[in-house]
Amino acid sequence: SQQGEEDPQALSIQEGENATMNCSYKTSINNLQWYRQNSGRGLVHLILIRSNEREKHSGRLRVTLDTSKKSSSLLITASRAADTASYFCATNDYKLSFGAGTTVTVRA
Amino acid sequence: GAVVSQHPSRVICKSGTSVKIECRSLDFQATTMFWYRQFPKKSLMLMATSNEGSKATYEQGVEKDKFLINHASLTLSTLTVTSAHPEDSSFYICSAREPGLGDFFGPGTRLTVL
Repeated sequence: SQQGEEDPQALSIQEGENATMNCSYKTSINNLQWYRQNSGRGLVHLILIRSNEREKHSGRLRVTLDTSKKSSSLLITASRAADTASYFCATNDYKLSFGAGTTVTVRA
Repeated sequence: GAVVSQHPSRVICKSGTSVKIECRSLDFQATTMFWYRQFPKKSLMLMATSNEGSKATYEQGVEKDKFLINHASLTLSTLTVTSAHPEDSSFYICSAREPGLGDFFGPGTRLTVL
């Protein structure tokens, strides 16, 4: 069953701006993962945040997790055209459940 | 690290034939792999969980006789679409789980059944 739900569905920003997207889920989790998918390609693993972590960084990515609100956010700083992709969150209570994704378009 | 390959990347076949897709974890051992299906502009739909040395666990609504899964080694799982029909045309993606680090996905296989 689908658990992670991303918001917004689509986001268009200018190169250099920050992009923020959110993920909400319904039940308790062990961890939450964020992925990027370019059109027609597989998923690229971006970051995993465990249920006992509140924030995690990886390069230009910053992920937060609020288990009390059952939500997570992904921030991409100083966006580039190459960041244009769909972004998915997936929660893990053994099997991953994916949301519909946020489509990010970075305009040059 | 954590690289997963899939082969073939694209396959076109005639209706009624069977197609085998391979998923390999290249630099780690994966006791658990997963097979997903994705329709255009949609999210991933989990089809089955593949466990090394045991039978796959299929999600509700997925025909196990239609989608045969074999996970014969710690680095290889295969999905065979038997007697493929045009409605089986889709993007199939596998993932391999590296405990503690997450699930890593293959590049996907585009199946077109004529």
